[in-house]
Amino acid sequence: NAGVMQNPRHLVRRRGQEARLRCSPMKGHSHVYWYRQLPEEGLKFMVYLQKENIIDESGMPKERFSAEFPKEGPSILRIQQVVRGDSAAYFCASSGGGGSYEQYFGPGTRLTVT
Amino acid sequence: DQQVKQNSPSLSVQEGRISILNCDYTNSMFDYFLWYKKYPAEGPTFLISISSIKDKNEDGRFTVFLNKSAKHLSLHIVPSQPGDSAVYFCAASGVSGNQFYFGTGTSLTVIP
Repeated sequence: NAGVMQNPRHLVRRRGQEARLRCSPMKGHSHVYWYRQLPEEGLKFMVYLQKENIIDESGMPKERFSAEFPKEGPSILRIQQVVRGDSAAYFCASSGGGGSYEQYFGPGTRLTVT
Repeated sequence: DQQVKQNSPSLSVQEGRISILNCDYTNSMFDYFLWYKKYPAEGPTFLISISSIKDKNEDGRFTVFLNKSAKHLSLHIVPSQPGDSAVYFCAASGVSGNQFYFGTGTSLTVIP
């Protein structure tokens, strides 16, 4: 009964490198949400995806950040040319859609930019 | 622009007593509200939810109350147990369910 899986759990990148964060939703879930939590802050919505579609990316920074949820495989959050301010915990959540609002979260990826 | 606010960053309660966590929101279009519990180094865990057509939802020791006119919701935990010690987030969503807005969390400590 696998829940939402995220990997890696910890990721260290130098400034200017790329970070790729992966999320596998719960079995049977086709809706994925990405959130960012900065230190001492709450969760901030970034993007909502369904298979092969970005539904709402209003929380994504305009540059360097992108997300995808392909037909096969996990959802990917990509951060290009990382900067120190990107250091945060990134959480992925999934839901079954169809009027079900409950989101189930993964354990998060803690990104540290040095 | 924080649309969901949890004004108490922390709360301490004696074991066996009631814990009341509060949440305020500003957007009258929100129609679904959720509470999550989070332990350190883990993702949030869904606790309980309520739709705007209700004013109360109960699940075991957890009860959520919604006051739409005041744009306020609260989570009651009774009786509180040491294992309830965690950070609690409230979240809200509009009809589309596309985007969820989270509060900044309240850290609950239940003292044995």
